[in-house]
Amino acid sequence: GDSVTQMEGPVTLSEEAFLTINCTYTATGYPSLFWYVQYPGEGLQLLLKATKADDKGSNKGFEATYRKETTSFHLEKGSVQVSDSAVYFCALVDPGSARQLTFGSGTQLTVLP
Amino acid sequence: DAGITQSPRHKVTETGTPVTLRCHQTENHRYMYWYRQDPGHGLRLIHYSYGVKDTDKGEVSDGYSVSRSKTEDFLLTLESATSSQTSVYFCAISEKQQGVTEAFFGQGTRLTVV
Repeated sequence: GDSVTQMEGPVTLSEEAFLTINCTYTATGYPSLFWYVQYPGEGLQLLLKATKADDKGSNKGFEATYRKETTSFHLEKGSVQVSDSAVYFCALVDPGSARQLTFGSGTQLTVLP
Repeated sequence: DAGITQSPRHKVTETGTPVTLRCHQTENHRYMYWYRQDPGHGLRLIHYSYGVKDTDKGEVSDGYSVSRSKTEDFLLTLESATSSQTSVYFCAISEKQQGVTEAFFGQGTRLTVV
């Protein structure tokens, strides 16, 4: 079945540091890939997405590139802010799966001033 | 905002009691989902629905049932709550935007079984 593996957290960075959160996936089909963000006490919000190989999703300074050859979708940001502190989830949708999302375990990011 | 409302937002219940969580949506989405969120596991699918009275099991469906008698409401029932069902429960809908499936989530229900 489909699966998503994220780097273990928590991750603690200083403001303006570079962020990478690794995500790799296993899927039977040709999935769409997503990063969701969850701020404290809230539901998940879509951060960015990519639907085919070499697509780059981007939003709010975050980027991730769909790498089919390495089955990866790593999240990056060049300069994090305190307001980026949240839990980040990598996810996929397999086209044959009744639109079900499969999630990684989540990575807690804390950014210190 | 996809117009998703979950109720209650918080609940404490005793082991062995029945509990029903409600998800209400206002935009006529066909697909609805219930997930649970636990540390180290991310979100795991409990049940989903692809239309009125059409539901199916997800990855962690044991101990849960669902019903969808109207498009706008998707109910999750714990027939006899156990401590292992203490979790945060999220309802979601999905829609296709430009051919890509996207999911939108409610605010969550924090359930504690004591």
